[in-house]
Amino acid sequence: DAKTTQPNSMESNEEEPVHLPCNHSTISGTDYIHWYRQLPSQGPEYVIHGLTSNVNNRMASLAIAEDRKSSTLILHRATLRDAAVYYCILRDILRGNKLTFGGGTRVLVKP
Amino acid sequence: DGGITQSPKYLFRKEGQNVTLSCEQNLNHDAMYWYRQDPGQGLRLIYYSQIVNDFQKGDIAEGYSVSREKKESFPLTVTSAQKNPTAFYLCASSLGGGGRNEQFFGPGTRLTVL
Repeated sequence: DAKTTQPNSMESNEEEPVHLPCNHSTISGTDYIHWYRQLPSQGPEYVIHGLTSNVNNRMASLAIAEDRKSSTLILHRATLRDAAVYYCILRDILRGNKLTFGGGTRVLVKP
Repeated sequence: DGGITQSPKYLFRKEGQNVTLSCEQNLNHDAMYWYRQDPGQGLRLIYYSQIVNDFQKGDIAEGYSVSREKKESFPLTVTSAQKNPTAFYLCASSLGGGGRNEQFFGPGTRLTVL
């Protein structure tokens, strides 16, 4: 599986945007970029995923670099509920049956 | 409400006993998964099933067994052969396998072996 690299932690103030970077320089043409988050003692929660184009949903936006070697998850207005560990994961279009979680980025939201 | 349920939330087991963890989904998803998470670590895949009556080993299947007799159910048995079973167990499902589909997770079962 291609590897992803994320910062260990980030801090944000409540109601400010949060930009979470992810590097994936060895991504293949058939890898989707997935983002999940996990709150303490809970199961992971799907956030967003994309292949080549930028994606928006009610939770976040995903900006994918033109060469696809990096991406950024954007939380437009952070709330206290957004404090979690965020994981950037690559999944092959056909063979991506498992989610391989790396270290993720721990997001702290300050009131 | 559609979703995935896991029971029980907490489970205690004596060493040497088998125990079965329940996972049910009403999302009409074909694919289901079992993961294990140890403290401060990411998830590791135990077993997955892409269709009823079929399942495949994941990265750490030793000491575990599963069945998939119904689309909505994918129970996991932790056998006495599993050397270090204390962990947080997570069940997930997706519309199909592969990278196009997101996985939806249950709340998890925390297993402690005494």
